[in-house]
Amino acid sequence: QLQLQESGPGLVKPSETLSLTCTVSGGSISSKNHYWAWIRQPPGRGMEWIGNIYYSGTTYYNPSLKSRVTISSDTSKNQFSLKLSSVTAADTAVFYCARPLLGSPYAFDIWGQGTMVTVSS
Amino acid sequence: DIQMTQSPSTLSASIGDRVTITCRASQSISSWLAWYQQKPGKAPNLLISKASTLEGGVPSRFSGSGSGTEFTLTISSLQPDDFATYYCQQYKTYSTFGGGTKVEIK
Repeated sequence: QLQLQESGPGLVKPSETLSLTCTVSGGSISSKNHYWAWIRQPPGRGMEWIGNIYYSGTTYYNPSLKSRVTISSDTSKNQFSLKLSSVTAADTAVFYCARPLLGSPYAFDIWGQGTMVTVSS
Repeated sequence: DIQMTQSPSTLSASIGDRVTITCRASQSISSWLAWYQQKPGKAPNLLISKASTLEGGVPSRFSGSGSGTEFTLTISSLQPDDFATYYCQQYKTYSTFGGGTKVEIK
């Protein structure tokens, strides 16, 4: 059974770079035609798609975050990662990694449990 | 950007009630719409994709309908496990979520 688990610092200082990793178990991130995604949810608010990475390494980013986001993968560790630069308090959120439905890259059927990241000095 | 608007933002209902949540897209998204259920402190759970396709394991009391710009999620007979927040999401062009509808106990 496919499982995803986010990890990374829970506290990041303003202007620094937020870095998170998603470890995938029960399946391979190199599986053909699969995407992998990051989504965030500020406290008490709705969700925002951050970006996807295709099994081939091609990335797709939310235009509103594109200038600050980098998603990469490490197939040897079966992980994919998120970097969000120049963070502010507005970036405080629960961050989820997720796997989209096969054939529908932006509908998400398997989610990690989420990790809370607070931006504060 | 495609904007998604849900209504109502909060809904109070009783066990056994029929509940309907509406989602409107700012432009046509055909049937590229999903519905999620989220409980406090948990990740969202995909209920419905392609506007009306029930995901595996989702009770049949949940149903989705609509196309273009107007969509509905219906719970035919509200059960205790259904008190949660529901989100719609368009995935025609990247992904945008609605603001959510919290279903509360009346």
